[in-house]
Amino acid sequence: DGGITQSPKYLFRKEGQNVTLSCEQNLNHDAMYWYRQDPGQGLRLIYYSQIVNDFQKGDIAEGYSVSREKKESFPLTVTSAQKNPTAFYLCASSVGETTNEKLFFGSGTQLSVL
Amino acid sequence: GQSLEQPSEVTAVEGAIVQINCTYQTSGFYGLSWYQQHDGGAPTFLSYNALDGLEETGRFSSFLSRSDSYGYLLLQELQMKDSASYFCAVRGPTSGGSYIPTFGRGTSLIVHP
Repeated sequence: DGGITQSPKYLFRKEGQNVTLSCEQNLNHDAMYWYRQDPGQGLRLIYYSQIVNDFQKGDIAEGYSVSREKKESFPLTVTSAQKNPTAFYLCASSVGETTNEKLFFGSGTQLSVL
Repeated sequence: GQSLEQPSEVTAVEGAIVQINCTYQTSGFYGLSWYQQHDGGAPTFLSYNALDGLEETGRFSSFLSRSDSYGYLLLQELQMKDSASYFCAVRGPTSGGSYIPTFGRGTSLIVHP
């Protein structure tokens, strides 16, 4: 079955450490997204990518970095510059950037700070 | 930018009908989507409206009025498994010129027996 796989399900970060969240899709979608979800705050856009080797900042990109070297992969790195990283991180994809009325989401990664 | 308002919580009994409202403000509009999310799970797409009117998909319907910047999700014949959070999302322009979904804060629906 096609879908989006996020790993790990739970991740712990020590102070000053960078951590990378994995997102892989086998839907052959061009566009991929990263959202952050905090309790009571809905989903906020971190980064998005419409095509391989291209990505754009979203509303809350500070302290995060991404890469899009392959169509099926869009990893997110939470850097030490992100002072409040504890949140639920959701990766999503759509067929294309102009057809993103329907996003397909992964099951998320819960990141906590030790 | 975009902003969306939806109630934080709605309660209803099994078998009833419930409506979850969403009002939005955006400098450009390309449609309103609805998603369901169970605790700790992935949001799943429910419905999309680009034009005014009602879209029906089984027990769920979604309505849009572009002139009022308003939409709602209607859930009929409520079941216990419908207890979840429901998010509206509007496709509006980002600073980079792309149209990316912006989400509301979500409405927690609690269905009682």
